[in-house]
Amino acid sequence: EVQVVESGGGLIQPGGSLRLSCAASGFTVSDKYMSWVRQAPGKGLEWVSVIYAGGSTYYADSVKGRFTISRDNSKNTLFLQMNSLRAEDTAVYYCARIYDYGSGSSFDYWGQGTLVTVSS
Amino acid sequence: DIQMTQSPSSLSASVGDRVTITCRASQSISSYLNWYQQKPGEAPKFLIYAASSLQSGVPSRFSGSGSGTDFTLTISSLQPEDFATYYCQQSYSTPPYTFGQGTKLQIK
Repeated sequence: EVQVVESGGGLIQPGGSLRLSCAASGFTVSDKYMSWVRQAPGKGLEWVSVIYAGGSTYYADSVKGRFTISRDNSKNTLFLQMNSLRAEDTAVYYCARIYDYGSGSSFDYWGQGTLVTVSS
Repeated sequence: DIQMTQSPSSLSASVGDRVTITCRASQSISSYLNWYQQKPGEAPKFLIYAASSLQSGVPSRFSGSGSGTDFTLTISSLQPEDFATYYCQQSYSTPPYTFGQGTKLQIK
């Protein structure tokens, strides 16, 4: 069974750093595109970052230069290193697997999310 | 970047109603359009890909259509478990993977 489970969220002061983890099971993270998507309280979904199977990484403009996506193949785990955190980064962060259906792609499996609160 | 706009932002309907949600792209995205359902406190659930293909396990009362810039999600006969927020998302030009702002479907 495919499953992704996030951890690492919490309360952090502005300017601080946090690392989120996403442990995957039922598939191999390095074989897939993997992404982070966030949702601020009461708001919609916002794509944050993606890492492709080949290792290329991309970021939303709102987090570029502050966040880093990576993976540990030996642990089958995805990470999101978040630095220089701002109040506007407060959100539930979801880890999601990307499914390539040939004529496009979609987020087919999502974790339950981990809440990051940036506040003094 | 491609912008996605959903309408309406919220919608009230009754069990058994037929409802349609619209998603418009800022440029043609062919059929590279996905739909998700999200209930309060839960992660989004993948419903439809390639504009009209149902993900495995999704009830047949859900359907999607459209191509180019205009797309619709239709629920043929609303069930109590369908009251949720629905998001469209384009995969024509990625990254970024852009979502619509969501449509909240509420009980009338």
